[in-house]
Amino acid sequence: GENVEQHPSTLSVQEGDSAVIKCTYSDSASNYFPWYKQELGKRPQLIIDIRSNVGEKKDQRIAVTLNKTAKHFSLHITETQPEDSAVYFCAAGGGADGLTFGKGTHLIIQP
Amino acid sequence: KAGVTQTPRYLIKTRGQQVTLSCSPISGHRSVSWYQQTPGQGLQFLFEYFSETQRNKGNFPGRFSGRQFSNSRSEMNVSTLELGDSALYLCASSSGGGADEQFFGPGTRLTVL
Repeated sequence: GENVEQHPSTLSVQEGDSAVIKCTYSDSASNYFPWYKQELGKRPQLIIDIRSNVGEKKDQRIAVTLNKTAKHFSLHITETQPEDSAVYFCAAGGGADGLTFGKGTHLIIQP
Repeated sequence: KAGVTQTPRYLIKTRGQQVTLSCSPISGHRSVSWYQQTPGQGLQFLFEYFSETQRNKGNFPGRFSGRQFSNSRSEMNVSTLELGDSALYLCASSSGGGADEQFFGPGTRLTVL
């Protein structure tokens, strides 16, 4: 089955700086790579996703890049703000298979 | 459109008991997936149901089971509860499954004493 590794487990950045979270996956058949944000005490919510026919996708301050050859994808957050503090999960899957999630990255924005 | 709902929100049980959790997906969604969330382990996939059939299953013991009804509502059952089953159980619904956006419910916090 699919295996997703996510790094780092904790990331602390100064407000206004950029944050990068990286994930690798094992199953070359995976074709869907979403990122979820979970604030304390709340449910995970999709913030951006990318499919295997696209190498990069942007939505305002958030971008995701995908390298299918190397089987890794990354989340980039620019101009970080206090409300970006949360746990971020990457996932890989697609087709009839379920999603496999990484173990999460706790992003801390320092004022 | 109403979101995904889960009942109950909190549950306290003792070892050896069994528990049933319920999930109502977004109207029109046919896929329901269940996840166990514990600190440090992230979201671990339990199983997925699509049109009343279990389509995928994660690496959990047989004590964990589920089902889906014709209205797409889903239940999961855990028998012979162990202390390690204490976790937040999240369900997520999507229209088709794997490559579609999953919408999560608020979760059921299960504590096993």
